[in-house]
Amino acid sequence: GESVGLHLPTLSVQEGDNSIINCAYSNSASDYFIWYKQESGKGPQFIIDIRSNMDKRQGQRVTVLLNKTVKHLSLQIAATQPGDSAVYFCADLDSGGSNYKLTFGKGTLLTVNP
Amino acid sequence: GAGVSQSPSNKVTEKGKDVELRCDPISGHTALYWYRQSLGQGLEFLIYFQGNSAPDKSGLPSDRFSAERTGGSVSTLTIQRTQQEDSAVYLCASSSDWGGSLNEQFFGPGTRLTVL
Repeated sequence: GESVGLHLPTLSVQEGDNSIINCAYSNSASDYFIWYKQESGKGPQFIIDIRSNMDKRQGQRVTVLLNKTVKHLSLQIAATQPGDSAVYFCADLDSGGSNYKLTFGKGTLLTVNP
Repeated sequence: GAGVSQSPSNKVTEKGKDVELRCDPISGHTALYWYRQSLGQGLEFLIYFQGNSAPDKSGLPSDRFSAERTGGSVSTLTIQRTQQEDSAVYLCASSSDWGGSLNEQFFGPGTRLTVL
């Protein structure tokens, strides 16, 4: 079946370094992608999204890159801080099929060492 | 309230018992979602409510699972005759107007269900 998955289940970085979290998706019809951050004991929180007509989108300290050719998505966090420690999920959606049914990956645990 | 709230935050039950999980969405949000998150896994879609439309129940794993949304606001997810594999965190989310747009889903903190 189709799924959204992550290359790395865990990532440990030093405070101040840049972090890159990767995600592979399999549904070629997916045209909308979201990154969520989930801190321990909390629900996922929206970070940034990107549509398939874009290759890159920047937010505050975060950048999402989309490579449709290889169906790969990445989240870059600049100057990683201890507060960035969390599980990060990518999710994809085929808006032509459903405009609400997101498919989530398993998540990457990011640990920021002070 | 300011965000999506869920109750209880934790629920421990015995195998075979029924449980009810409650979700209070953000006021004014017409769409409401239930997800299940098993340990170390991503979110699994369960059910979707939008206004007065018939809910999308395609993600419910068995007929032991049901959900309702009363008055277009509060929702209850019911699991009958719970099994150990039902143990997970159950997350609720809500979003504003549907209308073909892709609106941000705001998540509650979840209910951690443990079936002994």
